[in-house]
Amino acid sequence: ETGVTQTPRHLVMGMTNKKSLKCEQHLGHNAMYWYKQSAKKPLELMFVYSLEERVENNSVPSRFSPECPNSSHLFLHLHTLQPEDSALYLCASSQVGGATYEQYFGPGTRLTVT
Amino acid sequence: GENVEQHPSTLSVQEGDSAVIKCTYSDSASNYFPWYKQELGKGPQLIIDIRSNVGEKKDQRIAVTLNKTAKHFSLHITETQPEDSAVYFCAATPGGGADGLTFGKGTHLIIQP
Repeated sequence: ETGVTQTPRHLVMGMTNKKSLKCEQHLGHNAMYWYKQSAKKPLELMFVYSLEERVENNSVPSRFSPECPNSSHLFLHLHTLQPEDSALYLCASSQVGGATYEQYFGPGTRLTVT
Repeated sequence: GENVEQHPSTLSVQEGDSAVIKCTYSDSASNYFPWYKQELGKGPQLIIDIRSNVGEKKDQRIAVTLNKTAKHFSLHITETQPEDSAVYFCAATPGGGADGLTFGKGTHLIIQP
């Protein structure tokens, strides 16, 4: 595997379900991000983890719960979601403290809440 | 916080012609400006970026210009090809730390054969 991978690629869940999205980066980076991409809206930053510590929570509802067990893995735990939470959820990674600023994205998880 | 405006929302050009997409930003603390290309069913792919200490950067058919005084930056694609058809996003961030990107709304570029 190379780059940033995300599973599952597609997810359909009911409003009472609990599910998790997984992201793994194979780039040796030390920061990871969750973004939400909704139709006709800019990509929105949700969470930032640097050196496995959460450094930003961009006013995201508590029904979204992130977890970063190590610098290569990032999870987004979902529970009691609303239909308006249907979107493409993108994970990204970068190297903090180095000479480069690039963020690299995974392919995303297309989430549909019914 | 940062606000990024992107224009146009849709751009249709003839194959072989040039395409220009423009963005403005609001936060003078922003120093890093990447451009992403997103094809259907895929995540955003970084295609070029520029830092505030540089006014222009070029990579083959793609170039980016930055006017830090006016707080605007642009993407230029020359000799467009069908595979350039995609949605393009500009973004801004202070850079260097664990800073999230603030994105524009995107430009759907259509290359007409």
